[in-house]
Amino acid sequence: EIVLTQSPGTLSLSPGERATLSCRASQSVSSSYLAWYQQKPGQAPRLLIYGASSRATGIPDRFSGSGSGTDFTLTISRLEPEDFAVYYCQQHGSSLTFGGGTKVEIK
Amino acid sequence: QVQLQESGPGLVKPSQTLSLTCTVSGGSIGSGGYFWNWIRQDPGKGLEWIGYINYSGSTYYNPSLKGRVTISVDTSKNQFSLKLSSVTAADTAVYYCARSARGFDSWGQGTLVTVSS
Repeated sequence: EIVLTQSPGTLSLSPGERATLSCRASQSVSSSYLAWYQQKPGQAPRLLIYGASSRATGIPDRFSGSGSGTDFTLTISRLEPEDFAVYYCQQHGSSLTFGGGTKVEIK
Repeated sequence: QVQLQESGPGLVKPSQTLSLTCTVSGGSIGSGGYFWNWIRQDPGKGLEWIGYINYSGSTYYNPSLKGRVTISVDTSKNQFSLKLSSVTAADTAVYYCARSARGFDSWGQGTLVTVSS
């Protein structure tokens, strides 16, 4: 099973700042099989990025994904108030697993 | 716009079988091209994928749950279902159904299932 480790656990930032979230895999993951989600309290997760760098339908361009192999990054260029949430990475190259999440909170 | 809705008992006794159904609207399971998944989330914790089924009935389960999980599909009702046997308190979670192709692009709202006597 591929283990995804997300860091940091919590990111405290102000609106307008840049957020950089990391997802590290225990073994190499094809970029085609890496996705990112946003989850707000009481809601289901929402797909942001698939294929490591492709934005899902309706996702603003302030969200971007990058990386390959075992290291992937989600970047939010300028945080909007609605972006404060928990973010998860997910792979389906070998079985299917999620990372433990990064909470982006208001500083 | 496809929509998914989970239904089933919110309380299950230990050692019994948890049964949930996901009803899909705005799209047909039988048209193919997607996988239909079950995912759960411990309250306040992370996400665990349970397994998926496609329109023809092919399944793939999380190895950690294999042996206890059965996912089935009824294309005539546009529904797919989850059965998880021999449940314990550790199976208490919010259960989501979700569609996937390139990522999980549509989700149900989730339903809390508590395992307790």
